[in-house]
Amino acid sequence: KNEVEQSPQNLTAQEGEFITINCSYSVGISALHWLQQHPGGGIVSLFMLSSGKKKHGRLIATINIQEKHSSLHITASHPRDSAVYICAVDSGGGADGLTFGKGTHLIIQP
Amino acid sequence: DTGVSQDPRHKITKRGQNVTFRCDPISEHNRLYWYRQTLGQGPEFLTYFQNEAQLEKSRLLSDRFSAERPKGSFSTLEIQRTEQGDSAMYLCASSLLRDGRRGKTQYFGPGTRLLVL
Repeated sequence: KNEVEQSPQNLTAQEGEFITINCSYSVGISALHWLQQHPGGGIVSLFMLSSGKKKHGRLIATINIQEKHSSLHITASHPRDSAVYICAVDSGGGADGLTFGKGTHLIIQP
Repeated sequence: DTGVSQDPRHKITKRGQNVTFRCDPISEHNRLYWYRQTLGQGPEFLTYFQNEAQLEKSRLLSDRFSAERPKGSFSTLEIQRTEQGDSAMYLCASSLLRDGRRGKTQYFGPGTRLLVL
């Protein structure tokens, strides 16, 4: 069973700061997902990646397959970025569901 | 709205009652997943369907939980004889599997929040 660990669990930063959230997993995967969850429960998929780096607006996601580690970066953070960011892995096994980390609670203060 | 929808959004029930939740996936998506999320935790996988076939159900939490997708479109998740520990957010997600490729983006619904009194 894949174990997914995220750090930090909670992060409070000032508007404009560069944010990094880390994710590590224990078993090889076919893909890693970064998700955003706002209060009320809705989950939005930000990135799906299996190698290298992806960028979308102010968000950047990287993955190192050898080290079993991924990072999500937010540049020029803004209060509207405040949310829970969840890392999830697709182990490619028979079950085919995602295994999720516990999430990182991010608060960006004005 | 062409996203994943779930109904109801909130459900309060008394212990021992049965509840049923519905998920309508994105129309062309052939895969549908159910997850449960308890407070402060990430979601946990329960079961999934490819079209109408339920391909994995060993992760369902007990025999009180069952899911169906009879026509390969919408799905229902039923919990029989609810317990207070069943209180959680139940999330549905869908994806499109093409040519057996792995690592598919899953699109999530808003969830159904269940409270068992």
